[in-house]
Amino acid sequence: GDSVTQMEGPVTLSEEAFLTINCTYTATGYPSLFWYVQYPGEGLQLLLKATKADDKGSNKGFEATYRKETTSFHLEKGSVQVSDSAVYFCALVTGGGNKLTFGTGTQLKVEL
Amino acid sequence: EADIYQTPRYLVIGTGKKITLECSQTMGHDKMYWYQQDPGMELHLIHYSYGVNSTEKGDLSSESTVSRIRTEHFPLTLESARPSHTSQYLCASRGGSGNTIYFGEGSWLTVV
Repeated sequence: GDSVTQMEGPVTLSEEAFLTINCTYTATGYPSLFWYVQYPGEGLQLLLKATKADDKGSNKGFEATYRKETTSFHLEKGSVQVSDSAVYFCALVTGGGNKLTFGTGTQLKVEL
Repeated sequence: EADIYQTPRYLVIGTGKKITLECSQTMGHDKMYWYQQDPGMELHLIHYSYGVNSTEKGDLSSESTVSRIRTEHFPLTLESARPSHTSQYLCASRGGSGNTIYFGEGSWLTVV
């Protein structure tokens, strides 16, 4: 079946550091890929998405590129802020599937 | 912005009480989902629906039940709440470009 693997957290960075959160997947067919962010006490918000190979999703300084050859969708940001502290979830959806597959989440802590 | 709403946001109830968590979306999505999540932890699918009069149990066994009488409405009911039901419940719907998943803000349930 489909699966998503994320790097374990927590990831602790200093403000203005470079961020990478790894995400790899296995899926039948050609999935759409997503990153969601969850701030404390809130639901999940869509951060960015990519629907086909080599697409780059971007939003709020975050980027991720759909790499079919390595089955990866790593999240990156050039300079993190304290306000980026949250839990980040990688997810996939297959076109014909009715279920969604989420990673286990990676907590990011950004310190001054 | 996602048009998916959950009520109540926060609720404290006594053991044995019946509770219904409401979820509504105005995007016309056929596919809807309920997840259970401990704070910042992975999501567990407990129910999903493909459309009106369609409901299925998810991967995590749950004593809750759901109904889907109208496309826009997907309530979750606990007939007799127990402290083990204390958790956050997230409702989601799927549709639109790239099968994007949209989440409500979550309902925090505490059973005392």
